[in-house]
Order: sequence, then structure tokens, then C-alpha cells
Amino acid sequence: GDSVTQMEGPVTLSEEAFLTINCTYTATGYPSLFWYVQYPGEGLQLLLKATKADDKGSNKGFEATYRKETTSFHLEKGSVQVSDSAVYFCALIMTSNTGKLIFGQGTTLQVKP
Amino acid sequence: EAQVTQNPRYLITVTGKKLTVTCSQNMNHEYMSWYRQDPGLGLRQIYYSMNVEVTDKGDVPEGYKVSRKEKRNFPLILESPSPNQTSLYFCASSLTGGTGGYTFGSGTRLTVV
Repeated sequence: GDSVTQMEGPVTLSEEAFLTINCTYTATGYPSLFWYVQYPGEGLQLLLKATKADDKGSNKGFEATYRKETTSFHLEKGSVQVSDSAVYFCALIMTSNTGKLIFGQGTTLQVKP
Repeated sequence: EAQVTQNPRYLITVTGKKLTVTCSQNMNHEYMSWYRQDPGLGLRQIYYSMNVEVTDKGDVPEGYKVSRKEKRNFPLILESPSPNQTSLYFCASSLTGGTGGYTFGSGTRLTVV
């Protein structure tokens, strides 16, 4: 079945370091891809999305490119801040009318000053 | 403010005592969905609804019921809660079946003793 695999955390970085969180997917068709972020004690928030191959999603300094050839959607940020500490989820939706998000396990990011 | 509102935020109950977790959205979204989040298992879909009076099972529907009598509301009902339903629950809504991204509620932490 369709699935998402993320790198295991936790990831601990110093402020201003470069961030990469790896995400790969398995899907029978052409999914839409997402990154959601969950800050402590809160619900998930959409961070960025891409709906077709080679699309680049970006928001708040974060970027991810939909790579069909490697079935990947890696999240990157050039300079992380303490306020970026959160759990990051990669997810996909197939173009169907169930609207079901399939999530990766989540990667915890801790940024130290 | 566009939002998904869940109530209550925290609930401790006893085995077998029926409860309802409410979910309401003010964005006129057609798609609504319930997820549960458990350590090591990630986020899993319980039920979803594509429109008023249209609901269907997700991956883990056992022990839950839902209804969609109005577009804005999508309550989650536990007729006879059991300890294995202790979890963090999220309601989410989307205009376009999720491909544009979901808006999540803040979550309901349920403990069944």
C-alpha cells in the first residue's frame, strides 16, 4: 500500500545550522505531498506542499522539492532557529475522494541556542 | 479566524461511559476527518466525511462512530470507551479533499481508565 518513510529523530542542531529531514514515499499513482509541523501542545499545521513532480513547496524559509525519480520530498532550511523546534511530519494524499492523509512517523527537531 | 475547534481539550473518563468529542469548522469545508495519534504508531485515520450525510471508515474505525448532519460539525462518538482508546485525537477539514492541505484542530487528549 501507499506509505511514507521519514528519517528517525530526534535531530538536534545548533541555531543557524542547516537542516535536512529526509522523506521518501511509496505510491501506486501520483500523490500530492506535504510537510506538516506540530509545535508542543498544538495541532498540526500545514508547512508546505507540492502537487506534481518537480514542484517546489516553500514557506517560512523551509523548502522541499517533489522528486518523482527518487520518490522523495526532503525538507530543508538554510538556517534554523530555536523557534523551529517541533515535530515534522511528511505526508501524502492520493488523488481520490477519500482525502486520506498518509503520514510518516514524524521527526523531532530540537534547536539549541 | 478560520479554524477547526475541538472540545474538550482534555478528558479523563471511565471504561464504558459514552462520550462525544465535538469538532466544528467555520471555513465551509466539505471534507472532514478524524485521526488518532499514538507513540510509535503515528497518525491514523479513524473516519472521514466527504459531505453532509456522507461518511466512511478510515484505517482504525473500531469502537468509534461519527455523524455529519451539518457541514460544519463532525462529532466523534465513543459508545463504550476502552483503555486502548486512550490517545490524542485530531479533527481536520479541507475544502478540496485534502490536496490543498488540511486544517487541524488543537487536539483532544483522552484517557480511559
